Amino acid sequence: EIVLTQSPGTLSLSPGERATLSCRASQSVSSSYLAWYQQKPGQAPRLLMYGASRRATGIPDRFSGSGSGTDFTLTISRLEPEDFAVYYCQSHAFGQGTRLEIK
Amino acid sequence: EVQLVQSGAEVKKPGESLKISCKGSGYSFTSYWIGWVRQMPGKGLEWMGIIYPGDSDTRYSPSFQGQVTISADKSISTAYLQWSSLKASDTAMYYCARKDSNYVGGHYYYGMDVWGQGTTVTVSS
Repeated sequence: EIVLTQSPGTLSLSPGERATLSCRASQSVSSSYLAWYQQKPGQAPRLLMYGASRRATGIPDRFSGSGSGTDFTLTISRLEPEDFAVYYCQSHAFGQGTRLEIK
Repeated sequence: EVQLVQSGAEVKKPGESLKISCKGSGYSFTSYWIGWVRQMPGKGLEWMGIIYPGDSDTRYSPSFQGQVTISADKSISTAYLQWSSLKASDTAMYYCARKDSNYVGGHYYYGMDVWGQGTTVTVSS
């Protein structure tokens, strides 16, 4: 089973800054299956990106995704207060998550 | 509106059985895979398995194979997750989610685009 490892575990940034989240797979993953989700406390996860780089419906363009093979990245260009949450990558199994917190 | 509505919170004792549900509406239920995801208290998301209601083709994560059963009744647009003998370690929030596929430029791309609200399962003696 492919294992996804996300880094960092926690990222402390301020609104307006750029966030870069990493997702590394234990073996090559088809980018078609690589998705990113955002989860806020008490809420179900929300799809952000699918196919590694395609924004889901209604997701603002400050979110972008890239990568292929074993290395994938989610970038938030300018953090808004509502972006502070936990982010998960997924290709069947999920990564362990990156918590994005306000500095 | 496309939505998945899950059954309500459950409190059970160890050894009891349980079946929770996820009802789809607003789309063709038989045309999309439905997955189940576990989230233990304070922890991350865990992929449990997935079912295609159109033909009941089911796949399990190795971690959950033999521990749970995923099923669906397409006549009532409902997917299920069931346990035959609960353990305290099954205490968690369980989500169902729809797997969408988008065909773009000759390729399919996948993501879980619609999620249920979650069902809390508490197992305690």
